[in-house]
Amino acid sequence: GIQVEQSPPDLILQEGANSTLRCNFSDSVNNLQWFHQNPWGQLINLFYIPSGTKQNGRLSATTVATERYSLLYISSSQTTDSGVYFCAVEGSGYSTLTFGKGTMLLVSP
Amino acid sequence: NAGVTQTPKFRVLKTGQSMTLLCAQDMNHEYMYWYRQDPGMGLRLIHYSVGEGTTAKGEVPDGYNVSRLKKQNFLLGLESAAPSQTSVYFCASSYGGSGTSVTYEQYFGPGTRLTVT
Repeated sequence: GIQVEQSPPDLILQEGANSTLRCNFSDSVNNLQWFHQNPWGQLINLFYIPSGTKQNGRLSATTVATERYSLLYISSSQTTDSGVYFCAVEGSGYSTLTFGKGTMLLVSP
Repeated sequence: NAGVTQTPKFRVLKTGQSMTLLCAQDMNHEYMYWYRQDPGMGLRLIHYSVGEGTTAKGEVPDGYNVSRLKKQNFLLGLESAAPSQTSVYFCASSYGGSGTSVTYEQYFGPGTRLTVT
């Protein structure tokens, strides 16, 4: 099956800093989504982005499908951004998402 | 609009006991999914359903059964619980999936924390 690698595994930031999270995948994809799991365990869909660039407030994401990676940018980070960020992909020929192991982000005041 | 709800939120079972986890969604989604989340493993798909009356196996289906008798509900059953099934279980739903023309962001329920002793 398709392999998904996220980096870095852990990240500690001061409030106000910017960060870039990376997701590499091993094959072509039909579907790529970014999720945020808050410290209480709730998973929230951030972006559906199989290709191109999207922005939502301080967050933006870019997927370069031909080079098999996606980036999630967080600008002016806030303590509420803390949690785990997951990338999930659906490989061509498959019908379900495969999740990476996540990037754990801690934003300190 | 409650979105995706899961019942119960917490449960402790003894080895060999059985239980059913209930997932309900009010978004008229066709696709529903059950995942388990273990430390350091991300989320792994147990079973999924592409419509009422259908089910399919995911990555880690052994020891679990599912049923989708109604479009809005997806049940996950453990017939004989084992300590290896201690995990957090998430249900998710989406409008469609691969091969459909609709976008298919997945929306997650709050999770069920299950401990098997």
